[in-house]
Amino acid sequence: ELKVEQNPLFLSMQEGKNYTIYCNYSTTSDRLYWYRQDPGKSLESLFVLLSNGAVKQEGRLMASLDTKARLSTLHITAAVHDLSATYFCAGIGGSNYKLTFGKGTLLTVNP
Amino acid sequence: GAVVSQHPSRVICKSGTSVKIECRSLDFQATTMFWYRQFPKQSLMLMATSNEGSKATYEQGVEKDKFLINHASLTLSTLTVTSAHPEDSSFYICSVEGAVTGELFFGEGSRLTVL
Repeated sequence: ELKVEQNPLFLSMQEGKNYTIYCNYSTTSDRLYWYRQDPGKSLESLFVLLSNGAVKQEGRLMASLDTKARLSTLHITAAVHDLSATYFCAGIGGSNYKLTFGKGTLLTVNP
Repeated sequence: GAVVSQHPSRVICKSGTSVKIECRSLDFQATTMFWYRQFPKQSLMLMATSNEGSKATYEQGVEKDKFLINHASLTLSTLTVTSAHPEDSSFYICSVEGAVTGELFFGEGSRLTVL
């Protein structure tokens, strides 16, 4: 069964700073997803990473995947307040081949 | 535009009543849809996989007689919470796998409050 661990679970950062959220997973995962969730809302898809070495960027967010290390990262560059949200990574793999979510990272960007 | 639509977005009901939540795939036919539950400040947990034309597959610990899933067409899956109790209050979200490999689309979610 696939297990997904995110860290940190809580992240408070200043505007303009850079930081990285880490997502480790336990077994082979065919795909790795990153989602954003605002309070009271559903999930917004950010990135889908399908292969080793995949890197995708959108605005101030960049996601990467290292399948050998079983690690995905979400890097935030020059954070702005609008990025405050909860970020989830999720993978598909393991014996049950179902989408498994990490616990989420609550990001707060302070002015 | 939205790919997956859920209805209702919010529902409040009395304990003991049943509530139906609809999930519609708007842009394509979906033989499989997924239902998740999210409690406050927690992650999403898969409840069941809805299969068009056949029985849903439930995750361990999810009561199939309490959470009835019907996937009668390629664009509609419904989740009925039967005899709802306050502990069933949660955010229910459906998702659909897109036509292109790797895409997953989520509905807007349905917030259930059981009094």
